Amino acid sequence: QVQLVQSGAEVKKPGASVKVSCLASGYTFAAYYMHWVRQAPGQGLEWMGWIDPNRGVTTYAQKFQGRVTMTRDTSITTAYMELSRLDSDDTAVYYCARGLSSVTPWAAFDIWGQGTVITVSS
Amino acid sequence: EIVMTQSPATLSVSPGERATLSCRASQSVSNNLAWYQQKPGQAPRLLIYGASTRATGIPARFSGSGSGTEFTLTISSLQSEDFALYYCQQYNIWWTFGQGTKVEIK
Repeated sequence: QVQLVQSGAEVKKPGASVKVSCLASGYTFAAYYMHWVRQAPGQGLEWMGWIDPNRGVTTYAQKFQGRVTMTRDTSITTAYMELSRLDSDDTAVYYCARGLSSVTPWAAFDIWGQGTVITVSS
Repeated sequence: EIVMTQSPATLSVSPGERATLSCRASQSVSNNLAWYQQKPGQAPRLLIYGASTRATGIPARFSGSGSGTEFTLTISSLQSEDFALYYCQQYNIWWTFGQGTKVEIK
């Protein structure tokens, strides 16, 4: 079945970087945009950006520009999100989510990973 | 940034009753509006997209309506598994989510 499986929880110190992976299966990986969304403890959902797995093109939310990098490896159908210069406000669950449309990134998210807990603490 | 405002923050409903959730956008998002359900410790699940189209596998008791700035999610007869947190999301200009409505057992 169609699924996204993310890497495990991590604990990082302030100033460090973290890289989360998202393994896609059950569909043509390159055909659908992949988004990243985070959710701080007890808070709502915040969109971070997307990557076109086919071309490697990315678009980031302004808030994260300069600090986030999204990449992919089509040979292993995996997307990655790296966030640098971490601080305590980055403590959150990070999700990858597939865009519903294969034509445009402007779509809802129909498949979600299970989430990766990132804790930033000294 | 388009701000999405959901109301009420908490909705207390008895099983079998109807639940009506509202979502307002700070500017028109056309029909580029989705609804998600989230249970504790789980990822969100897509319920509705295009303001009124049910996602694959979503029961018919879930329906969405509206366009422009005002949207509604209706759950016609609440089942035990429907008590959860619900978010609206616009994808007309970037992607922003509402703060959520918690549907709890009355």
